[in-house]
Amino acid sequence: DAKTTQPPSMDCAEGRAANLPCNHSTISGNEYVYWYRQIHSQGPQYIIHGLKNNETNEMASLIITEDRKSSTLILPHATLRDTAVYYCIETSGSRLTFGEGTQLTVNP
Amino acid sequence: DSGVTQTPKHLITATGQRVTLRCSPRSGDLSVYWYQQSLDQGLQFLIQYYNGEERAKGNILERFSAQQFPDLHSELNLSSLELGDSALYFCASSVSGRAWTGELFFGEGSRLTVL
Repeated sequence: DAKTTQPPSMDCAEGRAANLPCNHSTISGNEYVYWYRQIHSQGPQYIIHGLKNNETNEMASLIITEDRKSSTLILPHATLRDTAVYYCIETSGSRLTFGEGTQLTVNP
Repeated sequence: DSGVTQTPKHLITATGQRVTLRCSPRSGDLSVYWYQQSLDQGLQFLIQYYNGEERAKGNILERFSAQQFPDLHSELNLSSLELGDSALYFCASSVSGRAWTGELFFGEGSRLTVL
């Protein structure tokens, strides 16, 4: 069901920016892009979402390409506590469909 | 703390048995979603209720059923349990009935082990 493509894993040095890419080439005009993360086996945590404009909140920034076929989640200053699986999700209607996500490991 | 409460946190039972998982959504949230996360399947959407009524159904087995009560808490019933039902079961809630209108708040999950 998942229509997004993410790299299975990435590493980042503590204090540096983490840039997590996502391809969503089949996204339609009314579908949002959501990012969630899951730390170990805890419940997924909402990060940010967007439709076509770039978005920023206290956790991260979301950059969506003009054609909306890909996006990048940016954690500006990654910490060890940001080590988690990050999910990029297209959604419309009633459900979020999670794919495999990207395992981000932040190294000291 | 997301504000979503799930009980029990851990549950160990035997094959063939029946269990009930409970979820209390955040105050004011009308929608409840159930997800299953097993090692080989990732997070799978099971079912959603909005204000007491079923809104969407995903990969939920016939042996599983759910409902949302007038006080908006929800229960997921799993029967005739099999080894493969061992998983983390997450409940999430949101204000609206459509996932794209806002964030979902997930509970900490119920870990079910079937022996």
